[in-house]
Amino acid sequence: KQEVTQIPAALSVPEGENLVLNCSFTDSAIYNLQWFRQDPGKGLTSLLLIQSSQREQTSGRLNASLDKSSGRSTLYIAASQPGDSATYLCAPQDPDQAGTALIFGKGTTLSVSS
Amino acid sequence: DAGVTQSPTHLIKTRGQHVTLRCSPISGHKSVSWYQQVLGQGPQFIFQYYEKEERGRGNFPDRFSARQFPNYSSELNVNALLLGDSALYLCASRGPGVNTGELFFGEGSRLTVL
Repeated sequence: KQEVTQIPAALSVPEGENLVLNCSFTDSAIYNLQWFRQDPGKGLTSLLLIQSSQREQTSGRLNASLDKSSGRSTLYIAASQPGDSATYLCAPQDPDQAGTALIFGKGTTLSVSS
Repeated sequence: DAGVTQSPTHLIKTRGQHVTLRCSPISGHKSVSWYQQVLGQGPQFIFQYYEKEERGRGNFPDRFSARQFPNYSSELNVNALLLGDSALYLCASRGPGVNTGELFFGEGSRLTVL
């Protein structure tokens, strides 16, 4: 059974810092991996999709890497801003059930102060 | 273009009642998934439907059921509600295939069971 762990669980940083969020998963036979952000009480907003054949993906100030063999992904946020405050979730696409399901960790809650 | 839309946004039920949640996918998306997110946890996969057929099912009791209509919209039904069913229910869609492409979520339906 796929399990996803995200470290740290919470993170507080001043505006302008660069930061790294970590995600590990137990079954390396994943299809793809997606990173999301979730604001309190809201739905999930997709940030990046990393295909299984890719090692990284970039969008603006965000860069995500994927190392399937070690079961790890990282999300790098450059020059953090208060608007980045949210919970960040990583979700590998599980090979069970023909890849129909994303498996989520509990997320990392980020707070960026101005 | 409209994103994934869900209704109702909030609802309150009592134990033993039945609830129906509705979802419209992004135009052109044929795959719809349902997730349950209890407070403090990551979303947990319930079902995926593609072309009106169930393609994946998570570890939920038979009180949970779903269906997809010819226009690709979907309903999630939960019978005999329990207090533990209180959660944010998220619908997501992807295209073009059953398990390829980025997954996009709606804002969710917040269910409270008293």
